[in-house]
Amino acid sequence: DADVTQTPRNRITKTGKRIMLECSQTKGHDRMYWYRQDPGLGLRLIYYSFDVKDINKGEISDGYSVSRQAQAKFSLSLESAIPNQTALYFCATSDLSGQGGYNEQFFGPGTRLTVL
Amino acid sequence: KQEVTQIPAALSVPEGENLVLNCSFTDSAIYNLQWFRQDPGKGLTSLLLIQSSQREQTSGRLNASLDKSSGRSTLYIAASQPGDSATYLCAVRGPNFNKFYFGSGTKLNVKP
Repeated sequence: DADVTQTPRNRITKTGKRIMLECSQTKGHDRMYWYRQDPGLGLRLIYYSFDVKDINKGEISDGYSVSRQAQAKFSLSLESAIPNQTALYFCATSDLSGQGGYNEQFFGPGTRLTVL
Repeated sequence: KQEVTQIPAALSVPEGENLVLNCSFTDSAIYNLQWFRQDPGKGLTSLLLIQSSQREQTSGRLNASLDKSSGRSTLYIAASQPGDSATYLCAVRGPNFNKFYFGSGTKLNVKP
């Protein structure tokens, strides 16, 4: 089973709709992240959480909100989706002393979101 | 703000060649640098992580180097294979401890 899972994997929605993307992890990591990837722009950080009570804005948080329901779950919401939020969204985890080194990041498979 | 650049954006080589991918960053005050591989429609797979105190890391045919003072990292792939075809991304952590910054990637095509 995958260590970091994301649901849904693909979603098409209309402008103005509320959308929630979910991320779950079995790695036992405290730190979780949401990124979006756009062609030619690389990955940009939306929000990150260092534990259940710690939520921080990233580089491009406007139009997004998050919820850390448990250590293993981190959800990203688009309150009112707009077309320029069409992108590939990734969830990632890391830990201070995880396998592979200090703060190595592990990514989920991504959610492809299209806003019409 | 930290900026990460990867050149070239795309690279095509024949099978068996050794090759180098480049990553540069503007602020040398980093905590670590990580190289990833991304296959079409897939997530990112971690390849190598180099701590700021290290100069290089090796895994199989891959070797990554880090020169913090010049703001550069390279990923060396030995004896390339068609299965190496993918987009390679580098990411740095810092100077803000809480932030990761990604390059836009180098798309590698290894021709049989």
